[in-house]
Amino acid sequence: KAGVTQTPRYLIKTRGQQVTLSCSPISGHRSVSWYQQTPGQGLQFLFEYFSETQRNKGNFPGRFSGRQFSNSRSEMNVSTLELGDSALYLCASSINTEAFFGQGTRLTVV
Amino acid sequence: GESVGLHLPTLSVQEGDNSIINCAYSNSASDYFIWYKQESGKGPQFIIDIRSNMDKRQGQRVTVLLNKTVKHLSLQIAATQPGDSAVYFCAENNGNNAGNMLTFGGGTRLMVKP
Repeated sequence: KAGVTQTPRYLIKTRGQQVTLSCSPISGHRSVSWYQQTPGQGLQFLFEYFSETQRNKGNFPGRFSGRQFSNSRSEMNVSTLELGDSALYLCASSINTEAFFGQGTRLTVV
Repeated sequence: GESVGLHLPTLSVQEGDNSIINCAYSNSASDYFIWYKQESGKGPQFIIDIRSNMDKRQGQRVTVLLNKTVKHLSLQIAATQPGDSAVYFCAENNGNNAGNMLTFGGGTRLMVKP
């Protein structure tokens, strides 16, 4: 059974640009959550999607957005990138309460 | 908002010894707690979970203890092995509508000396 797949694994962007990250959940999992991991702030919840609807939202600015497709795949978008957005972005899929994480996308903003 | 509090100390243990990693949480309404292990370059990996109606849960070589009175979680690893070296996070699920919204602690780095 394939795990959670995140693409791309690494990304370098310039300040002011926007970026889209992709997450394919484990087959059958309808919940997809996104987290940001930085050395300073640790792991922080961004948002969760379930059946194409945002079910929970963290305390991030509106520059961070996401969506989920009918096949449960999810994307998150960050617009007007700032240096502080450099982080490991993790996606987790769940069928109940147990969350399985992907390997993450390492975003570097220069 | 409330958060699971866990600074990032380093715990160094000898191979074969038992390890205990502690975590304090602040949301007394939380009813589901999880321990994750994260190795370098990888995403967090589920280790064990516990619901608030339990005090203790055991897995393979791991035990989680929950003390709701003092809002404290601990992870015990028996016979620690070099492969256990990683950063360990506790998390609580604060999701609405039965959703998933994990609040993580800061993590503890476990180093196993051969």
